Amino acid sequence: GQSLEQPSEVTAVEGAIVQINCTYQTSGFYGLSWYQQHDGGAPTFLSYNALDGLEETGRFSSFLSRSDSYGYLLLQELQMKDSASYFCAVRMDSSYKLIFGSGTRLLVRP
Amino acid sequence: NAGVTQTPKFQVLKTGQSMTLQCAQDMNHEYMSWYRQDPGMGLRLIHYSVGAGITDQGEVPNGYNVSRSTTEDFPLRLLSAAPSQTSVYFCASRKQGGNEQFFGPGTRLTVL
Repeated sequence: GQSLEQPSEVTAVEGAIVQINCTYQTSGFYGLSWYQQHDGGAPTFLSYNALDGLEETGRFSSFLSRSDSYGYLLLQELQMKDSASYFCAVRMDSSYKLIFGSGTRLLVRP
Repeated sequence: NAGVTQTPKFQVLKTGQSMTLQCAQDMNHEYMSWYRQDPGMGLRLIHYSVGAGITDQGEVPNGYNVSRSTTEDFPLRLLSAAPSQTSVYFCASRKQGGNEQFFGPGTRLTVL
């Protein structure tokens, strides 16, 4: 079977840095995506990594290590509005299929 | 652009009833898909389509049908609703060659 593991909850202070990890075991791997979802809202795309290394987009960065089947999302200068659930998702092959993790609920406190 | 739209926003069904969840996108995206999200869980793929006339099953296809007669529309049909299908349903689209999926606002379905 396919599995993606993420911590269920993370709490951090406004202005701090937080890292959300994702480890995966899938029968195929093309790339790792990250999505943000606020309560009651739709998921929105944050990043996609196909190659090893760090991708930076403003306050958010995403890292991938294919050899370790591991990635993380790094959020810097946390703001209250960053309180949301964050999902990693593996694209397994050339098709459209994405397998999602169960999500990490991030709570940012003042 | 309206993006990805879904109707209805909320729906209550009785066990055994059938209904269709509507999804449309105006971005001319080739790929469309349906997911369900249960409390505390990630999204699970129900069905997807890589273009008009082409559909395929995802992780949890049982109890659902889809069709893709046009690029814009991708309806999801529940054949005979069951309480286990109580969930939030998201439709998504993606441009061929792109990595970003665009999600609709979701339909919250309750089956009694």
